[in-house]
Amino acid sequence: DQQVKQNSPSLSVQEGRISILNCDYTNSMFDYFLWYKKYPAEGPTFLISISSIKDKNEDGRFTVFLNKSAKHLSLHIVPSQPGDSAVYFCAASAGAGGTSYGKLTFGQGTILTVHP
Amino acid sequence: GAVVSQHPSRVICKSGTSVKIECRSLDFQATTMFWYRQFPKQSLMLMATSNEGSKATYEQGVEKDKFLINHASLTLSTLTVTSAHPEDSSFYICSAGPPRLAGSDTQYFGPGTRLTVL
Repeated sequence: DQQVKQNSPSLSVQEGRISILNCDYTNSMFDYFLWYKKYPAEGPTFLISISSIKDKNEDGRFTVFLNKSAKHLSLHIVPSQPGDSAVYFCAASAGAGGTSYGKLTFGQGTILTVHP
Repeated sequence: GAVVSQHPSRVICKSGTSVKIECRSLDFQATTMFWYRQFPKQSLMLMATSNEGSKATYEQGVEKDKFLINHASLTLSTLTVTSAHPEDSSFYICSAGPPRLAGSDTQYFGPGTRLTVL
Protein backbone atom coordinates (compact mmCIF):
# COMPACT_ATOMS: atom_id res chain seq x y z
CA ASP A 1 0.00 0.00 0.00
CA GLN A 2 1.86 3.03 -1.31
CA GLN A 3 0.59 5.89 0.83
CA VAL A 4 2.85 8.47 -0.81
CA LYS A 5 3.24 8.39 -4.57
CA GLN A 6 5.45 10.20 -6.99
CA ASN A 7 4.12 9.09 -10.34
CA SER A 8 6.83 10.64 -12.47
CA PRO A 9 10.04 8.64 -12.24
CA SER A 10 11.97 11.34 -14.03
CA LEU A 11 11.80 14.95 -15.18
CA SER A 12 14.06 16.82 -17.57
CA VAL A 13 14.18 20.62 -17.56
CA GLN A 14 16.23 23.31 -19.24
CA GLU A 15 18.37 25.52 -17.05
CA GLY A 16 16.55 28.68 -16.02
CA ARG A 17 13.10 27.17 -16.46
CA ILE A 18 10.75 25.97 -13.76
CA SER A 19 10.85 22.42 -12.41
CA ILE A 20 7.61 21.08 -11.00
CA LEU A 21 7.70 17.85 -9.03
CA ASN A 22 4.47 16.26 -7.95
CA CYS A 23 3.41 14.04 -5.09
CA ASP A 24 0.10 12.46 -4.08
CA TYR A 25 -0.86 10.86 -0.79
CA THR A 26 -3.74 8.76 0.44
CA ASN A 27 -3.50 8.87 4.24
CA SER A 28 -5.71 11.62 5.68
CA MET A 29 -3.74 11.49 8.92
CA PHE A 30 -0.66 13.01 7.30
CA ASP A 31 -0.26 16.55 8.59
CA TYR A 32 3.27 17.47 7.66
CA PHE A 33 4.99 17.15 4.32
CA LEU A 34 8.63 17.42 3.33
CA TRP A 35 10.80 17.41 0.26
CA TYR A 36 14.28 15.95 0.29
CA LYS A 37 17.01 15.98 -2.31
CA LYS A 38 19.24 12.94 -2.57
CA TYR A 39 22.38 11.95 -4.41
CA PRO A 40 23.41 8.29 -4.84
CA ALA A 41 25.14 6.81 -1.79
CA GLU A 42 24.29 9.84 0.35
CA GLY A 43 21.60 10.58 2.89
CA PRO A 44 18.63 12.78 1.93
CA THR A 45 19.09 16.51 2.36
CA PHE A 46 16.13 18.44 3.71
CA LEU A 47 14.85 21.09 1.33
CA ILE A 48 11.53 22.46 2.46
CA SER A 49 8.44 21.44 4.39
CA ILE A 50 4.86 22.44 4.86
CA SER A 51 2.30 21.94 7.57
CA SER A 52 -1.22 20.90 6.68
CA ILE A 53 -2.52 24.20 8.02
CA LYS A 54 -0.84 26.01 5.16
CA ASP A 55 -1.19 25.78 1.41
CA LYS A 56 2.10 27.32 0.41
CA ASN A 57 5.60 27.68 1.77
CA GLU A 58 8.45 29.42 0.03
CA ASP A 59 12.19 29.35 0.63
CA GLY A 60 14.34 31.00 -1.98
CA ARG A 61 14.03 29.16 -5.27
CA PHE A 62 11.90 26.45 -3.70
CA THR A 63 8.15 26.64 -3.15
CA VAL A 64 5.93 23.86 -1.94
CA PHE A 65 2.20 23.90 -2.59
CA LEU A 66 -0.29 21.76 -0.71
CA ASN A 67 -3.81 20.95 -1.89
CA LYS A 68 -5.40 19.05 0.97
CA SER A 69 -8.69 18.38 -0.75
CA ALA A 70 -6.86 16.72 -3.62
CA LYS A 71 -4.23 15.16 -1.33
CA HIS A 72 -1.60 16.57 -3.61
CA LEU A 73 1.55 18.56 -3.14
CA SER A 74 4.12 19.92 -5.51
CA LEU A 75 7.60 21.36 -5.36
CA HIS A 76 8.47 24.23 -7.67
CA ILE A 77 12.07 25.10 -8.34
CA VAL A 78 12.64 28.32 -10.20
CA PRO A 79 14.94 29.07 -11.82
CA SER A 80 16.28 25.54 -12.19
CA GLN A 81 20.03 25.08 -12.13
CA PRO A 82 22.21 22.16 -13.25
CA GLY A 83 23.24 21.68 -9.62
CA ASP A 84 19.61 20.84 -8.83
CA SER A 85 19.97 17.57 -10.72
CA ALA A 86 19.32 14.81 -8.18
CA VAL A 87 16.59 12.50 -6.94
CA TYR A 88 13.80 14.32 -5.13
CA PHE A 89 11.75 12.52 -2.52
CA CYS A 90 8.44 13.61 -1.15
CA ALA A 91 7.77 12.50 2.43
CA ALA A 92 4.83 12.72 4.78
CA SER A 93 4.36 12.51 8.51
CA ALA A 94 1.36 12.00 10.75
CA GLY A 95 3.36 13.16 13.73
CA ALA A 96 3.35 16.94 13.79
CA GLY A 97 0.26 16.90 15.91
CA GLY A 98 0.13 13.28 16.94
CA THR A 99 2.16 10.43 18.32
CA SER A 100 3.99 9.37 15.18
CA TYR A 101 6.55 12.13 15.43
CA GLY A 102 9.50 11.57 13.15
CA LYS A 103 8.14 8.61 11.22
CA LEU A 104 8.27 9.54 7.58
CA THR A 105 6.65 7.78 4.68
CA PHE A 106 8.50 8.36 1.43
CA GLY A 107 7.45 8.45 -2.18
CA GLN A 108 9.41 6.56 -4.79
CA GLY A 109 11.41 9.57 -5.87
CA THR A 110 11.70 11.59 -9.08
CA ILE A 111 14.99 11.96 -10.90
CA LEU A 112 15.39 15.60 -11.93
CA THR A 113 17.85 16.46 -14.66
CA VAL A 114 18.51 20.10 -15.40
CA HIS A 115 20.27 20.65 -18.71
CA PRO A 116 22.58 23.62 -19.22
CA GLY B 1 19.81 22.52 9.54
CA ALA B 2 20.67 20.00 12.22
CA VAL B 3 23.61 17.65 11.70
CA VAL B 4 23.41 13.89 11.90
CA SER B 5 26.46 11.72 11.34
CA GLN B 6 26.85 8.02 10.62
CA HIS B 7 29.77 5.68 10.89
CA PRO B 8 31.07 3.83 9.00
CA SER B 9 30.13 5.18 5.59
CA ARG B 10 30.93 1.88 3.95
CA VAL B 11 31.50 -1.64 5.23
CA ILE B 12 32.19 -4.93 3.52
CA CYS B 13 31.89 -8.08 5.59
CA LYS B 14 31.72 -11.84 5.23
CA SER B 15 28.47 -13.70 5.50
CA GLY B 16 27.69 -14.67 9.09
CA THR B 17 29.44 -11.77 10.75
CA SER B 18 27.79 -8.91 12.62
CA VAL B 19 28.12 -5.27 11.69
CA LYS B 20 27.47 -2.25 13.90
CA ILE B 21 26.45 1.13 12.47
CA GLU B 22 26.46 4.27 14.59
CA CYS B 23 24.18 7.27 14.23
CA ARG B 24 24.91 10.47 16.12
CA SER B 25 23.09 13.76 16.43
CA LEU B 26 25.86 16.34 16.62
CA ASP B 27 24.16 19.55 17.64
CA PHE B 28 20.99 18.49 19.38
CA GLN B 29 19.66 15.79 21.64
CA ALA B 30 17.37 13.22 20.10
CA THR B 31 15.20 11.02 22.28
CA THR B 32 14.05 9.31 19.13
CA MET B 33 15.98 8.31 16.04
CA PHE B 34 14.88 6.33 13.02
CA TRP B 35 16.55 3.71 10.88
CA TYR B 36 15.77 3.32 7.18
CA ARG B 37 17.12 1.15 4.43
CA GLN B 38 17.17 1.80 0.73
CA PHE B 39 17.60 -0.79 -1.99
CA PRO B 40 18.93 0.31 -5.38
CA LYS B 41 16.51 2.51 -7.27
CA GLN B 42 13.90 2.18 -4.56
CA SER B 43 12.48 4.43 -1.90
CA LEU B 44 13.54 4.69 1.71
CA MET B 45 11.76 2.19 3.92
CA LEU B 46 11.43 2.76 7.64
CA MET B 47 12.83 -0.17 9.59
CA ALA B 48 12.50 0.86 13.20
CA THR B 49 12.16 3.64 15.72
CA SER B 50 15.00 3.92 18.22
CA ASN B 51 13.90 5.19 21.62
CA GLU B 52 16.41 6.47 24.15
CA GLY B 53 16.29 4.39 27.29
CA SER B 54 13.73 1.91 26.03
CA LYS B 55 13.20 -0.78 23.46
CA ALA B 56 13.08 0.00 19.80
CA THR B 57 9.86 -0.43 17.89
CA TYR B 58 10.07 -2.25 14.60
CA GLU B 59 8.02 -1.92 11.46
CA GLN B 60 6.09 -4.87 10.19
CA GLY B 61 8.30 -7.41 8.50
CA VAL B 62 11.55 -6.27 10.11
CA GLU B 63 13.21 -8.92 12.28
CA LYS B 64 14.11 -7.42 15.64
CA ASP B 65 16.57 -10.20 16.40
CA LYS B 66 18.30 -9.57 13.11
CA PHE B 67 18.54 -5.81 13.44
CA LEU B 68 19.46 -4.93 17.00
CA ILE B 69 19.00 -1.32 17.98
CA ASN B 70 20.48 0.35 21.03
CA HIS B 71 19.81 3.99 21.91
CA ALA B 72 22.06 4.38 24.92
CA SER B 73 22.29 8.16 25.00
CA LEU B 74 20.48 11.22 23.72
CA THR B 75 22.95 11.59 20.87
CA LEU B 76 23.75 8.03 19.83
CA SER B 77 21.81 5.14 18.35
CA THR B 78 23.40 1.99 17.00
CA LEU B 79 22.08 -0.57 14.55
CA THR B 80 23.70 -3.99 14.60
CA VAL B 81 23.04 -6.30 11.70
CA THR B 82 23.56 -9.74 13.22
CA SER B 83 24.72 -12.75 11.24
CA ALA B 84 24.64 -10.73 8.07
CA HIS B 85 23.82 -12.41 4.76
CA PRO B 86 24.09 -11.13 1.20
CA GLU B 87 20.41 -10.20 1.15
CA ASP B 88 21.13 -7.72 3.97
CA SER B 89 23.34 -5.75 1.62
CA SER B 90 21.75 -2.35 1.37
CA PHE B 91 22.11 1.34 2.13
CA TYR B 92 21.22 2.06 5.75
CA ILE B 93 20.32 5.59 6.78
CA CYS B 94 19.37 7.07 10.13
CA SER B 95 17.40 10.20 10.89
CA ALA B 96 16.80 12.38 13.90
CA GLY B 97 15.00 15.58 14.60
CA PRO B 98 15.47 18.45 17.03
CA PRO B 99 13.12 18.61 19.98
CA ARG B 100 9.60 18.61 18.77
CA LEU B 101 8.08 21.92 17.82
CA ALA B 102 4.34 22.30 17.56
CA GLY B 103 3.26 21.75 13.98
CA SER B 104 6.71 20.68 12.82
CA ASP B 105 8.22 17.29 12.19
CA THR B 106 11.39 17.86 10.22
CA GLN B 107 13.86 15.01 10.29
CA TYR B 108 17.50 15.26 9.32
CA PHE B 109 19.33 12.35 7.84
CA GLY B 110 22.78 10.94 8.24
CA PRO B 111 24.98 10.36 5.20
CA GLY B 112 24.15 6.67 5.12
CA THR B 113 26.13 3.43 5.39
CA ARG B 114 26.64 1.14 2.44
CA LEU B 115 26.72 -2.46 3.68
CA THR B 116 27.97 -5.18 1.37
CA VAL B 117 27.85 -8.75 2.61
CA LEU B 118 29.96 -11.20 0.63
